[in-house]
Amino acid sequence: SQQGEEDPQALSIQEGENATMNCSYKTSINNLQWYRQNSGRGLVHLILIRSNEREKHSGRLRVTLDTSKKSSSLLITASRAADTASYFCATDAGGNTPLVFGKGTRLSVIA
Amino acid sequence: EAGVAQSPRYKIIEKRQSVAFWCNPISGHATLYWYQQILGQGPKLLIQFQNNGVVDDSQLPKDRFSAERLKGVDSTLKIQPAKLEDSAVYLCASSPQGVKGPLHFGNGTRLTVT
Repeated sequence: SQQGEEDPQALSIQEGENATMNCSYKTSINNLQWYRQNSGRGLVHLILIRSNEREKHSGRLRVTLDTSKKSSSLLITASRAADTASYFCATDAGGNTPLVFGKGTRLSVIA
Repeated sequence: EAGVAQSPRYKIIEKRQSVAFWCNPISGHATLYWYQQILGQGPKLLIQFQNNGVVDDSQLPKDRFSAERLKGVDSTLKIQPAKLEDSAVYLCASSPQGVKGPLHFGNGTRLTVT
């Protein structure tokens, strides 16, 4: 399966600290996406990184992709209590294959 | 733009009963997805529509689950009869044709089967 696996499963930090979440996958991909899910809500797209890109930024988010190691990381800088959510990576292997989500990392930011 | 609309938000049924969920995607989005999210896990694709045609339903338990998108706009997912293990959040998502990201998700329907 190409399913991404996030690490750690859960992370608790203080407000203002940085949070790093990792995603590993098994097969070649076209792109990798990160989503956030607040409790009781749907997923919200954060950032998409293509297989030929190594790093992308969006506000306080920084995503890296290492296709040789089949891994990606999501860094949230200067975290806020509002960043408390579950974060999922999703891999796109291209063609008609579906987007496949990992099990997620539960982030708690304590004020 | 209006987001993906889903109803109901919550549903509690007994096992062996039937249930239906409704989804209205973002206007103009040709691709519609139904995902099942069991507590503590990531979403799992059940079925993908392109307009009113099925692209992928390989993980849909077809003996009990069915879905349709008759006019290529809104969609209905049905479970009949429901089992205890069907308790989950059912998420609908949409995207423009030919695009697998980003997906736009609704807030889901939380189903509890007792």
